[in-house]
Amino acid sequence: GNSVTQMEGPVTLSEEAFLTINCTYTATGYPSLFWYVQYPGEGLQLLLKATKADDKGSNKGFEATYRKETTSFHLEKGSVQVSDSAVYFCALKDSSYKLIFGSGTRLLVRP
Amino acid sequence: NAGVTQTPKFRILKIGQSMTLQCTQDMNHNYMYWYRQDPGMGLKLIYYSVGAGITDKGEVPNGYNVSRSTTEDFPLRLELAAPSQTSVYFCASSYSLEDGYTFGSGTRLTVV
Repeated sequence: GNSVTQMEGPVTLSEEAFLTINCTYTATGYPSLFWYVQYPGEGLQLLLKATKADDKGSNKGFEATYRKETTSFHLEKGSVQVSDSAVYFCALKDSSYKLIFGSGTRLLVRP
Repeated sequence: NAGVTQTPKFRILKIGQSMTLQCTQDMNHNYMYWYRQDPGMGLKLIYYSVGAGITDKGEVPNGYNVSRSTTEDFPLRLELAAPSQTSVYFCASSYSLEDGYTFGSGTRLTVV
């Protein structure tokens, strides 16, 4: 079946470091791909999305490119801040009526 | 717009008690979902609905029930609470799945 695999966390970085959180997927066809962010004690918020191959989603300095050839949608940010500390979820929308989520990656940014 | 509203925010139940977690959205979304998130874990789908009058089971439906009598409301019912149901429960909705979900802020439930 369709699935999403994320890198295990926690990812610990110093402020202003470069961030990459890996996400790969297994799906037939051309699923839409999403990144969600969950700040402590809150619900998930949509961070960015891409709906077709080679699309780049971006928001708040975060970027992710839909790579069909490597079935990946890695999340990147050039310079992280303490306020970026959160759990990040990769997800895909296939032909069913629901999104499929990865297990989440916790990011901790130290001052 | 209020978005997706969940009540209550916190609740402590005793084993064997029942309760209903409320979820309402004011965005005219047809798709609605209930997830649970155990500490340090990802999301598990409990039930979902593609429109009023239609519901379907997700990965972990045992011990829960839902109804969808209106487009706006999607309550989740726990009939006989068990410690294994201690979790944070999130409701989500969507108009078009290509745009993803809008999540509520969650209900933190503890069963003792």
